[in-house]
Amino acid sequence: DAKTTQPNSMESNEEEPVHLPCNHSTISGTDYIHWYRQLPSQGPEYVIHGLTSNVNNRMASLAIAEDRKSSTLILHRATLRDAAVYYCILKGNTPLVFGKGTRLSVIA
Amino acid sequence: DTAVSQTPKYLVTQMGNDKSIKCEQNLGHDTMYWYKQDSKKFLKIMFSYNNKELIINETVPNRFSPKSPDKAHLNLHINSLELGDSAVYFCASSRDGRGGYGYTFGSGTRLTVV
Repeated sequence: DAKTTQPNSMESNEEEPVHLPCNHSTISGTDYIHWYRQLPSQGPEYVIHGLTSNVNNRMASLAIAEDRKSSTLILHRATLRDAAVYYCILKGNTPLVFGKGTRLSVIA
Repeated sequence: DTAVSQTPKYLVTQMGNDKSIKCEQNLGHDTMYWYKQDSKKFLKIMFSYNNKELIINETVPNRFSPKSPDKAHLNLHINSLELGDSAVYFCASSRDGRGGYGYTFGSGTRLTVV
């Protein structure tokens, strides 16, 4: 699977939107962009995924650049419960490969 | 009902012992996985399995073996446990192995080898 680049950490104030960036310049045409998060002492949790078009679900929105070389996970109103490590992963037909992710801190 | 359940949640055992971790999914998924998260928090794929194919990460010692009695279960057997096997092990499942399907993870089994 192609590699992604994410900031090591980000900080947000509670109830403000958060934009988590991910670069994936070597993405192939069949790779999906997946986002997972891992809250402290829990297993990874699926957040959202997409291929070319922007996606919305109850947890977040995924904005995908037109050239697909980058994407942004958007949490519309951060809560303390959103403090976690967020992983951006390119997914083809092989298992998910996790990188280091972005550690998001939410300040009350 | 928990979608992907693992037992036990905690496992403390001595070096040299043989142990098993069980995983069950009630999602009707075709593919299951085992991941290991070490003390540095890196998540690494160990195995993926569907009813046709087992794919083993080449870095996994052969002391580790997955066993699938049916599509809903993928258990992890570990022989001759070593201190370095201490980690959190996560089971996961997906509808199939293709890119368009998300994974559901279990809550993990914390293995401590003493």
